[in-house]
Amino acid sequence: EDQVTQSPEALRLQEGESSSLNCSYTVSGLRGLFWYRQDPGKGPEFLFTLYSAGEEKEKERLKATLTKKESFLHITAPKPEDSATYLCAVQVGNTGKLIFGQGTTLQVKP
Amino acid sequence: GAVVSQHPSWVICKSGTSVKIECRSLDFQATTMFWYRQFPKQSLMLMATSNEGSKATYEQGVEKDKFLINHASLTLSTLTVTSAHPEDSSFYICSATGLAGGSWDEQYFGPGTRLTVT
Repeated sequence: EDQVTQSPEALRLQEGESSSLNCSYTVSGLRGLFWYRQDPGKGPEFLFTLYSAGEEKEKERLKATLTKKESFLHITAPKPEDSATYLCAVQVGNTGKLIFGQGTTLQVKP
Repeated sequence: GAVVSQHPSWVICKSGTSVKIECRSLDFQATTMFWYRQFPKQSLMLMATSNEGSKATYEQGVEKDKFLINHASLTLSTLTVTSAHPEDSSFYICSATGLAGGSWDEQYFGPGTRLTVT
């Protein structure tokens, strides 16, 4: 069964304290791995798509990496405005559907 | 990035009534739209996949007669919750994507619709 697991469930950081979020997946036929940011009461905001092991993508303070079994979202020198829930999702098969992890809720304190 | 809108953003209805939620892709043609449901402090659960001009494909456990999906054009899909009950109260989110050159594009999400059934 296709499965996506994110850790930790919650993460509290001080402003400027770098860290990483993990997304482990067990799927048959990965077509892509997606990272989204979700603020309370809003829809997910697209961050990155990774397609193959070894691929890396960056956007401001965020960097996403991918291996054959997991993906990391590295946050460098986070700011309070980075506080949100970060969702990881995998795309399998040829239907475009996404399977989401439970998310990591990040809180960055000033 | 691509923009997806939903209407309404929130709705309160009485038990037994029906509610329609619209999902629109504003600046691209969405060959496929997806409908998700999200309960408090939980992740998104896919309800159905909607392709323009064809019947929606529902995930296991989702009642197709209760959650009616129509994808009449490349920019509009609707979800109708029929005979809503309090347990249908949730955050409903749509997403839209296109198929270009044989590969799936990024999937963009709407802002969500908060449904409360009293």
